[in-house]
Amino acid sequence: ETGVTQTPRHLVMGMTNKKSLKCEQHLGHNAMYWYKQSAKKPLELMFVYSLEERVENNSVPSRFSPECPNSSHLFLHLHTLQPEDSALYLCASSPTGVNYGYTFGSGTRLTVV
Amino acid sequence: RKEVEQDPGPFNVPEGATVAFNCTYSNSASQSFFWYRQDCRKEPKLLMSVYSSGNEDGRFTAQLNRASQYISLLIRDSKLSDSATYLCVVNERSNYQLIWGAGTKLIIKP
Repeated sequence: ETGVTQTPRHLVMGMTNKKSLKCEQHLGHNAMYWYKQSAKKPLELMFVYSLEERVENNSVPSRFSPECPNSSHLFLHLHTLQPEDSALYLCASSPTGVNYGYTFGSGTRLTVV
Repeated sequence: RKEVEQDPGPFNVPEGATVAFNCTYSNSASQSFFWYRQDCRKEPKLLMSVYSSGNEDGRFTAQLNRASQYISLLIRDSKLSDSATYLCVVNERSNYQLIWGAGTKLIIKP
C-alpha cells in the first residue's frame, strides 16, 4: 500500500463520545500533519509532528489530542466535541525541508451531533 | 490583510479556453510556493511547485513575481476535468507553516 491512508472516511459522533482518527503513510516522510478544513475557509493547521516529536500546536482545544507512535502513524483522539468541530480532517505527510509539498490522505468527514 | 489571498471565483470558462488566476501573499520573506488542486469533497493534491524562473508542466504554467508578491497559474486548452478549486500555498518560515489560500473555484463548461 502506498500514499497516505486515513480511516474512517466518515464519522458521526455525539458530543459525549470518544473516537480516534487514524493516519498512516508509506512514503518514508519524516513529518506528519493534521489539518481541519471547514466550508469556504482555508486549511487550518492543527498539529505537526517531525521525527515523531510534536513541533507545532496551533492553539487547538484540548478536546483534540494527537498521538504519533512512530514516523508512519498519526492519530487524532477526539472527546467531548462540539457541533462546530464538524469538518473535514485531513492528514498529510512530507519530507522535512522548505521546498517540499505535502501528500494528503483522503480525509475524515466528521459530523458532531 | 490576509496572508495569502485568492479570488474565490467561480471562474466559468468554456472548454478549450485559456484561464489564469493570481494569488497574492503578504510576507516578502516567503521562501517557496505551490499550487494545489482540490476536487469537490476530496483532498488537496499538489499540482506544481512555483519556481523563481517560472515553470511549465504540460498545459499548466506557474509564475512567481517577487517584486509584486504574487504567483499565477495559467491553464491553456482547458478541459472539463480541470474543474476544481485551485489552492495557492506559501511557505513562510519552515516546512511546518505552509500558509494556504482559501482557493479559486474553476468551472469548465462544455
